[in-house]
Amino acid sequence: SQQGEEDPQALSIQEGENATMNCSYKTSINNLQWYRQNSGRGLVHLILIRSNEREKHSGRLRVTLDTSKKSSSLLITASRAADTASYFCATDGGYGNNRLAFGKGNQVVVIP
Amino acid sequence: GAVVSQHPSRVICKSGTSVKIECRSLDFQATTMFWYRQFPKQSLMLMATSNEGSKATYEQGVEKDKFLINHASLTLSTLTVTSAHPEDSSFYICSASRGGGQPQHFGDGTRLSIL
Repeated sequence: SQQGEEDPQALSIQEGENATMNCSYKTSINNLQWYRQNSGRGLVHLILIRSNEREKHSGRLRVTLDTSKKSSSLLITASRAADTASYFCATDGGYGNNRLAFGKGNQVVVIP
Repeated sequence: GAVVSQHPSRVICKSGTSVKIECRSLDFQATTMFWYRQFPKQSLMLMATSNEGSKATYEQGVEKDKFLINHASLTLSTLTVTSAHPEDSSFYICSASRGGGQPQHFGDGTRLSIL
């Protein structure tokens, strides 16, 4: 069943602006991961945040996790045209075998 | 970084044909491989989890006789769509994981079109 569920969003921003997207989930998690998917391609892992972490940074990416609200956010700073993609959160419920439940995805378009 | 190769990238075939899709982890041993299906502008739907040397675990509603999965080695898993019909047309994506809470690494997907 879907655990990571973000409201599907279509976000259109100008290059250089920041892009923020959210994710909510329903059950307890071991970790939450964000992935990027370019059109017609596979997914690329961006960042993993564990249930005992509240914030994590990786380059221009900043992820927050609020386990009390069962939500996470992904911030992309100083966006570039190459950031145009769909972004998915996925939750690992810790049941073993790394099984993930993916959210609905956020379509981000960065206008040059 | 970890590389997963999925082949073929696109298949167009007639109804009734069986189609095999390969997923290979090129530079690491994958304890577990996963098969997903994705409809246009939608999220990934997990079809099955495949562990090397054992039978795949299918998600509810996924027909195991329709979608045959073989995970013969730590670097190769195959998905065979048997007697494919137009409703099986979709984007199929595999991923591989080292296990132990490590991220999944995805192939580039296979676009399957059944005429």
